[in-house]
Amino acid sequence: DTGVSQDPRHKITKRGQNVTFRCDPISEHNRLYWYRQTLGQGPEFLTYFQNEAQLEKSRLLSDRFSAERPKGSFSTLEIQRTEQGDSAMYLCASSRIVVQETQYFGPGTRLLVL
Amino acid sequence: AQSVSQHNHHVILSEAASLELGCNYSYGGTVNLFWYVQYPGQHLQLLLKYFSGDPLVKGIKGFEAEFIKSKFSFNLRKPSVQWSDTAEYFCAVNAGGTYKYIFGTGTRLKVLA
Repeated sequence: DTGVSQDPRHKITKRGQNVTFRCDPISEHNRLYWYRQTLGQGPEFLTYFQNEAQLEKSRLLSDRFSAERPKGSFSTLEIQRTEQGDSAMYLCASSRIVVQETQYFGPGTRLLVL
Repeated sequence: AQSVSQHNHHVILSEAASLELGCNYSYGGTVNLFWYVQYPGQHLQLLLKYFSGDPLVKGIKGFEAEFIKSKFSFNLRKPSVQWSDTAEYFCAVNAGGTYKYIFGTGTRLKVLA
């Protein structure tokens, strides 16, 4: 396994701008997850996909956030009209559908909204 | 709602000291439990996991954890820490028929050489 990759690793943007992050899961992993981590906190679940279907969304995922996984492989997370409170590390994880399913995390995209 | 508590936010130990990090969760049903570690500048890595069976699970780098159902706990232990164990440790729970993980707030461990 080559690991979960995320791009970009860092993003600085001005308030009100739109940003998009990409996640490439481990090959053949059916499930893909997005989490957000702020300073001093553990990762918080945002949403997850099974193949191309988005099956669960957290209430943390406001209308300004949208995630897609169009072909069941990579995923994108877009934040529209960014706010300073969106500054965080955005983590992606993937897993294979097995009995003892385990999520493997990528390096994250650190977003700073000025 | 499910939650995970990690009582120690910061721990400082000398090399060769023993380590125990607490983790408690709130959920009455079947749970899957995980400990992840994040070394400085690196991404979250799985240390160990518990799904069922022997409540004492062994992970990588000499770490182990014990699931005590009656106490809703899954504490992480290591008999003798090394400077290279300096990292942030996260406990996570997966429960209730959902696939998402609920994480604790993490414990920052600093090991003095």
